[in-house]
Amino acid sequence: GNSVTQMEGPVTLSEEAFLTINCTYTATGYPSLFWYVQYPGEGLQLLLKATKADDKGSNKGFEATYRKETTSFHLEKGSVQVSDSAVYFCALQNNDYKLSFGAGTTVTVRA
Amino acid sequence: DAGVIQSPRHEVTEMGQEVTLRCKPISGHDYLFWYRQTMMRGLELLIYFNNNVPIDDSGMPEDRFSAKMPNASFSTLKIQPSEPRDSAVYFCASSLGGGLAEAFFGQGTRLTVV
Repeated sequence: GNSVTQMEGPVTLSEEAFLTINCTYTATGYPSLFWYVQYPGEGLQLLLKATKADDKGSNKGFEATYRKETTSFHLEKGSVQVSDSAVYFCALQNNDYKLSFGAGTTVTVRA
Repeated sequence: DAGVIQSPRHEVTEMGQEVTLRCKPISGHDYLFWYRQTMMRGLELLIYFNNNVPIDDSGMPEDRFSAKMPNASFSTLKIQPSEPRDSAVYFCASSLGGGLAEAFFGQGTRLTVV
């Protein structure tokens, strides 16, 4: 079956620090990979996605590269801001249209 | 478009009572998903619809849970009778097309069963 494992949080950083959130997956076939972000009191929003091996998704300064050889999709941002404080979810989607989510990583950025 | 609209935002009910959660998807979207979020289990897909037809309800935890989509602009998730372990945040999401189409989430309904 499909599963996603992401690093446990919480993660606390200072502004302008480098952020990495690790994500690895198990799936049959060739899934698409996503990062969703959930700000306090809100629903999830798509942050970025990648549909095939070696694709790089990017948005709002965040990047993630689909690595088939390591079955990973790590999220990175070079310089975080307070407004990046949120819960980040790695997810995969296979042919059945279902999104399988990781447990989520809470990130807090301090000024 | 106002996005996916869920109501109520918060619901507190007593064990044994019936609870109905409501969702209005984005106009024109043909897929609708119901998710449950808890600290213990994270985000779980409960059921999804395509063109108002339930496609996969394998995530529905028990017979106490039921979902309907009587038309393209409205869906309900009902729990009868409710139990304290049903306490969670329930999200509705919609998308245009399946596959890689982006799913847009509502703000969720926080359900507390006491």
